Amino acid sequence: EPEVTQTPSHQVTQMGQEVILRCVPISNHLYFYWYRQILGQKVEFLVSFYNNEISEKSEIFDDQFSVERPDGSNFTLKIRSTKLEDSAMYFCASSVSRDFSNEQFFGPGTRLTVL
Amino acid sequence: AQKVTQAQTEISVVEKEDVTLDCVYETRDTTYYLFWYKQPPSGELVFLIRRNSFDEQNEISGRYSWNFQKSTSSFNFTITASQVVDSAVYFCALSENNNQGGKLIFGQGTELSVKP
Repeated sequence: EPEVTQTPSHQVTQMGQEVILRCVPISNHLYFYWYRQILGQKVEFLVSFYNNEISEKSEIFDDQFSVERPDGSNFTLKIRSTKLEDSAMYFCASSVSRDFSNEQFFGPGTRLTVL
Repeated sequence: AQKVTQAQTEISVVEKEDVTLDCVYETRDTTYYLFWYKQPPSGELVFLIRRNSFDEQNEISGRYSWNFQKSTSSFNFTITASQVVDSAVYFCALSENNNQGGKLIFGQGTELSVKP
């Protein structure tokens, strides 16, 4: 069964460093998302991406964040200068279309720890 | 404003007990979808069910059942004869028709602990 994959599973970085989290969505999916979950809290929407541009972003997704689909398979989230409060689990998701009824398939997550 | 509330932070039951997880939502949209996801200790998010705002029929899938009541804006989830493997955090989520990209708005989650 096709699945969303994410690498790395755990990333440890120093405050102020740049990190890139990688995701490979399901191959025939066209809509991509990033969510984050601070430990013990709810899952929060960061950004949605379609046709090589951002469709929607939340207040969390400030200038420190960017997303990119550098090739036909990868979807990346970059944090330019990490802060302690960026420590969280980051989930990538994909769906077949932008239809709000569509199930989003989630990857296993990348745990980011900022020291 | 859209919002999902799961008032139960933690629930602990003994195996074979039935348990209901509550979910209350707020939306101004007349067309929307509700979802339940399971997050086991391993951390991934597993899709359980999707329900649209026009379909209030209850659904049963094995030991799982869902009760959608538009009048009370609730979409509750019941596990019958709970098992230890049901121990997880369960999230209710909302997706509205009027948003641009189908983002999911999650509740705070309910941590279910099923003891043997």
